[in-house]
Formats: sequence, C-alpha cells, structure tokens
Amino acid sequence: EVQLVESGGGVVRPGGSLRLSCAASGFTFDDYGMSWVRQAPGKGLEWVSGINWNGGRTGYVDSVKGRFTISRDNAKNSLYLQMNSLRAEDTALYHCVRDPGSYDGGYGMDVWGQGTTVTVSS
Amino acid sequence: EIVLTQSPATLSLSPGERATLSCRASQSVSSNYLAWYQVKPGQAPRLLIYDASNRAPGIPDRFSGSGSGTDFTLTISSLEPEDFAVYYCQQRANWPLTFGPGTKVDIK
Repeated sequence: EVQLVESGGGVVRPGGSLRLSCAASGFTFDDYGMSWVRQAPGKGLEWVSGINWNGGRTGYVDSVKGRFTISRDNAKNSLYLQMNSLRAEDTALYHCVRDPGSYDGGYGMDVWGQGTTVTVSS
Repeated sequence: EIVLTQSPATLSLSPGERATLSCRASQSVSSNYLAWYQVKPGQAPRLLIYDASNRAPGIPDRFSGSGSGTDFTLTISSLEPEDFAVYYCQQRANWPLTFGPGTKVDIK
C-alpha cells in the first residue's frame, strides 16, 4: 500500500523550531518529487515547499523562505521540513505529499498523508 | 507568482444536477499545468484532474476538466451525494505552486 505518514508536529512558542518528518512506503521514493502542503484552521490549501527526486532542486512559498528548509533522505525513504523562527501564522495541519512533476511541471499531488498539526502559540 | 481565483465561492445544488466550477489565473498557465483537488472534512485532499483535462486514476468519468491559458473549468456532470465537498484548483507550471481559494459545493 502506498502510504505517507507524518510526524513531528506539536505546540511551540513563537520563535521556536520544529522538524517534521514523513515516512514513505509502498513506492520507489527516489522516483518522485515531494512537497509539503499546509492548511490553516478554516482556511484553504497552501503549498509550502517542494523538492525534486534527488534533492537538487528545492522551492518555497515566500512567507517561509529563510525560515524553513526541506530535505530528503532517499536511503531512508524520508522527507523532512525543518521549521525555524515559527510564527503564529504557521499554525496549520501540514501534509506530506507525493508530487511527481513538482519541479518539472505537470501531473498533480497524487498521494497525501493525513497530516501533522503544528500550533504556534505563547 | 501566479494567482488563482475561483468562482463561485459556494455552489448550492441538488444531487443529480450539473456543477460547473471556474478557475482563472492571473497569467497564462504554461502547458496547461492545472490540477483540481477535492477536499472533504477530516480527509486528505484527492487529486481529480491533472494537466487541465486528464482524470487521475480511479476518478469517475462524471468529473471532467477543460480550459487553457488563463481560464479553466471543472464540471461534475451529475452530482452524487459523495461529491459535496470543497474543490481547489492548483497551477503547477511554476514555483511557487499556488492554489485557488476553493469552491464549496453544498447541498441545496
């Protein structure tokens, strides 16, 4: 079964850090680009960051540039999101997503994890 | 950054009716790299349509996508009870990838 399982969410104070992890299974991980997508409470979907199959290309939404870092370990079938200098507006459910075409364009986000919740509050 | 707008914000229809959802881009989406997703409460989003008009595997043929350039449409030919949800378009031509604000299809 193709599956993505996120972990690492929690409650953190403004200015704090968290590292999200995503464990992939059921497919050849290093064949695919990957992304993180978040959904704040009562809001729509927002792409946060993407990475191509080998980690050579990464991208970020402007609001997280310089604060978040996406990475992957293909040997461990894992995706990561290091989040620093967290703000209240980063509070959201964060989904790990299989994203073929994330860098090259086309297709769509075809496998989604259930998400991990990040709450930034004092 | 390509900004997407969706209309209407809410569509109130009855089962069996046809739903037509619009997505407009602030600039042309190259190669029509436009996708549609369905989101239901408590569930992960589901990919419906990619590259503007291609159904993703397992998606019923009552869902169809059309359009090019800056104007795209998702059509649900005859609404089933399980189709009442929020639908988002997404451009995949350039980073940052962007989503529209969504259209909620609810039961009239």
